[in-house]
Amino acid sequence: DADVTQTPRNRITKTGKRIMLECSQTKGHDRMYWYRQDPGLGLRLIYYSFDVKDINKGEISDGYSVSRQAQAKFSLSLESAIPNQTALYFCATSGDSGANVLTFGAGSRLTVL
Amino acid sequence: GQNIDQPTEMTATEGAIVQINCTYQTSGFNGLFWYQQHAGEAPTFLSYNVLDGLEEKGRFSSFLSRSKGYSYLLLKELQMKDSASYLCAVTSNDYKLSFGAGTTVTVRA
Repeated sequence: DADVTQTPRNRITKTGKRIMLECSQTKGHDRMYWYRQDPGLGLRLIYYSFDVKDINKGEISDGYSVSRQAQAKFSLSLESAIPNQTALYFCATSGDSGANVLTFGAGSRLTVL
Repeated sequence: GQNIDQPTEMTATEGAIVQINCTYQTSGFNGLFWYQQHAGEAPTFLSYNVLDGLEEKGRFSSFLSRSKGYSYLLLKELQMKDSASYLCAVTSNDYKLSFGAGTTVTVRA
């Protein structure tokens, strides 16, 4: 099994629909992140959490919300999806050491029509 | 915040050497990473530099100059499987990782 599992891997939805992307990890890490990736823009941080009671906005949090249900689970929600949220979304985890190496999930490709 | 610049694309021949440069501006620098990402896949960790100098790991090496806000990733003895995007990323004292847009390297036979 993968260390970081994302579901769904692919999703097509319509404008205005609510979407949840789920992430679970077996690495025992406290830190979890959600990034989106768009061609030419690289990876941009949406939200991050350094423990179960800690939630922080990243650089592009508008239109998104998150929930840290447990140390191993971190979900991303789009309350009312819009077409410019079409992107590849990655969940990642890291340990508490200063090196902070990220381990990424396989990605969730979301298309909003 | 961070401002991270790297070239968009590079092309090289199998067996050759390619150097990918990365410049950054950040407050509270706490380390620089290189990740490799094949098309349609997740990024994977390649290297980490926090002190000035060269870190060598097999065919890949990464260099950092903190005073110049500069790093490079050196890929030697290029193989076809090295065709991928290479992402430069910087972490600051808040432990968030910010990424450059990535450099797509194409290796030709």
